[in-house]
Amino acid sequence: ETGVTQTPRHLVMGMTNKKSLKCEQHLGHNAMYWYKQSAKKPLELMFVYSLEERVENNSVPSRFSPECPNSSHLFLHLHTLQPEDSALYLCASSQDTNLRVGSSGANVLTFGAGSRLTVL
Amino acid sequence: RKEVEQDPGPFNVPEGATVAFNCTYSNSASQSFFWYRQDCRKEPKLLMSVYSSGNEDGRFTAQLNRASQYISLLIRDSKLSDSATYLCVVNRGYGGSQGNLIFGKGTKLSVKP
Repeated sequence: ETGVTQTPRHLVMGMTNKKSLKCEQHLGHNAMYWYKQSAKKPLELMFVYSLEERVENNSVPSRFSPECPNSSHLFLHLHTLQPEDSALYLCASSQDTNLRVGSSGANVLTFGAGSRLTVL
Repeated sequence: RKEVEQDPGPFNVPEGATVAFNCTYSNSASQSFFWYRQDCRKEPKLLMSVYSSGNEDGRFTAQLNRASQYISLLIRDSKLSDSATYLCVVNRGYGGSQGNLIFGKGTKLSVKP
């Protein structure tokens, strides 16, 4: 496996369910991210982990709970979601959190294929 | 003013056409700029990083104008496979830089035969 893999690719859940999204990166990166992409909206950063430590929580409701057991794996635990939480959830990784274009090259985000979530 | 602003399109162009997208950003401290491509129902993929002096990769040319705070993407000799949404991405430019990218909503391109 190469790159960033996400499972499941599609998920339908009721508002009272508990489910988890999984992300694994095979790039040797130290930073991992969760993004949310809703229709007609730009990508929204949810969480950032650097070397398994959460370094940013972008005012995300507590019904979304991230977990990063090691630098290759990232989870997003979901519980009591609302229909408006239906979206594409994208995991990404990068060498470190300083996303930049520099003279020695660029440190960029690599995305997984996403988990499309529908909340009924 | 939005942090990153793009014309949503769609841009409908014939094969072989040249098409240009502009993107404006509001934070003068932004230092790094990228173009990502996103196909329908797929993840964004890096198309190009944008260097200060401008850069070219085959049919694609990216330019940066810091004074006017915009970046551009030029696609020459459009192919059907270029049909996608093009996302302008800018970093916030402050120290710490914790996952500090801002994404535009994207410009949709449709290349017709």
